[in-house]
Amino acid sequence: DVKVTQSSRYLVKRTGEKVFLECVQDMDHENMFWYRQDPGLGLRLIYFSYDVKMKEKGDIPEGYSVSREKKERFSLILESASTNQTSMYLCASSTELALSWYNEQFFGPGTRLTVL
Amino acid sequence: AQSVTQLGSHVSVSEGALVLLRCNYSSSVPPYLFWYVQYPNQGLQLLLKYTTGATLVKGINGFEAEFKKSETSFHLTKPSAHMSDAAEYFCAVSETNQAGTALIFGKGTTLSVSS
Repeated sequence: DVKVTQSSRYLVKRTGEKVFLECVQDMDHENMFWYRQDPGLGLRLIYFSYDVKMKEKGDIPEGYSVSREKKERFSLILESASTNQTSMYLCASSTELALSWYNEQFFGPGTRLTVL
Repeated sequence: AQSVTQLGSHVSVSEGALVLLRCNYSSSVPPYLFWYVQYPNQGLQLLLKYTTGATLVKGINGFEAEFKKSETSFHLTKPSAHMSDAAEYFCAVSETNQAGTALIFGKGTTLSVSS
């Protein structure tokens, strides 16, 4: 069974702290994605990665960075957390292989981050 | 670039009633289309997808969607709502560029089901 796991379900941090959100997938997928989800705004893409050590900016990369040192792990970093980064963060993965469900994305359970 | 519009941020139905969640997309190429469901405090789960072939697609939990190219629509339906269908639903279209493929999501529709 395919699986995407995220390091924490709930996280509370203080303004100015450096925050790491970890995501691990066990499907050998090439592609990994970080979204944030806010009421009324749907899912907004922060960063994505199509291969190890590669990263691409999504729609809202400001205030975030990412790291992908291994194929199965994709980390989202908030260099200096701010209250407007309080949100639900979702990680997803997909594969580019042919006959591969046409790029269906598999999602983790989400991390609800609160920045005080 | 592709885009997705979900009409109605909130839909309310009675148990047993028809569910209709609307999705329109814009795409310059034949699209791959998806519907995802999110239950409270969970990640997104794939309901169904359209890639090629039959335009009426059946998914899990009794949901289905019909791809209508002429209307650029991919509306989600279920003949009879159940209380357990209360969730947020997202429509998405696949977008491919030189680097790879990502999904473009609509803003979501929250479905409420009353008894």
